[in-house]
Amino acid sequence: DAGVIQSPRHEVTEMGQEVTLRCKPISGHDYLFWYRQTMMRGLELLIYFNNNVPIDDSGMPEDRFSAKMPNASFSTLKIQPSEPRDSAVYFCASSYGGAGEQYFGPGTRLTVT
Amino acid sequence: GENVEQHPSTLSVQEGDSAVIKCTYSDSASNYFPWYKQELGKGPQLIIDIRSNVGEKKDQRIAVTLNKTAKHFSLHITETQPEDSAVYFCAATPPYDYKLSFGAGTTVTVRA
Repeated sequence: DAGVIQSPRHEVTEMGQEVTLRCKPISGHDYLFWYRQTMMRGLELLIYFNNNVPIDDSGMPEDRFSAKMPNASFSTLKIQPSEPRDSAVYFCASSYGGAGEQYFGPGTRLTVT
Repeated sequence: GENVEQHPSTLSVQEGDSAVIKCTYSDSASNYFPWYKQELGKGPQLIIDIRSNVGEKKDQRIAVTLNKTAKHFSLHITETQPEDSAVYFCAATPPYDYKLSFGAGTTVTVRA
């Protein structure tokens, strides 16, 4: 398996623009997690899905952030409008059966100027 | 929710020496404790994990110990090598939750 795939790997955008991050989980995994990593706050869980259904979005910072999982092999995290404080590395991870043994993607480094 | 604290934040060791990273957790119900290694520019990678029904687990040069009474667990790396240089994260989760709570990370540098 190719592992968790994320795109783009790097994104530079201007404040106010819409940003869409993409994730393809490992085939057969039923849980998908979106994380944000910054120096100040470390690894933060934003939202997770089980069988394509959002289960807990309490980590989503505000209404500017939204996530979808239209099918078992694809998920998006959208920020609209983007702000400089959204600059971070965003990771997608997937697992089978729950929180255990999560496999992380390579991440998307987002820079908002 | 679960709260995980990790120490030290940085650790420098001579190649061949051992490295130990310690974590404490707050929720006594937590039963799964993974350790992740993150190399520069990459996502965290699971290197070893332990469940609450086990006190110690070993995989080649790495081992994890768990003390449920004291609510702490540790990662031990023996015979460190330059490729062990990375950031290491501990995490914990209770059975009623599917979210991992991560420690702040330990930057390990192995000096040649």
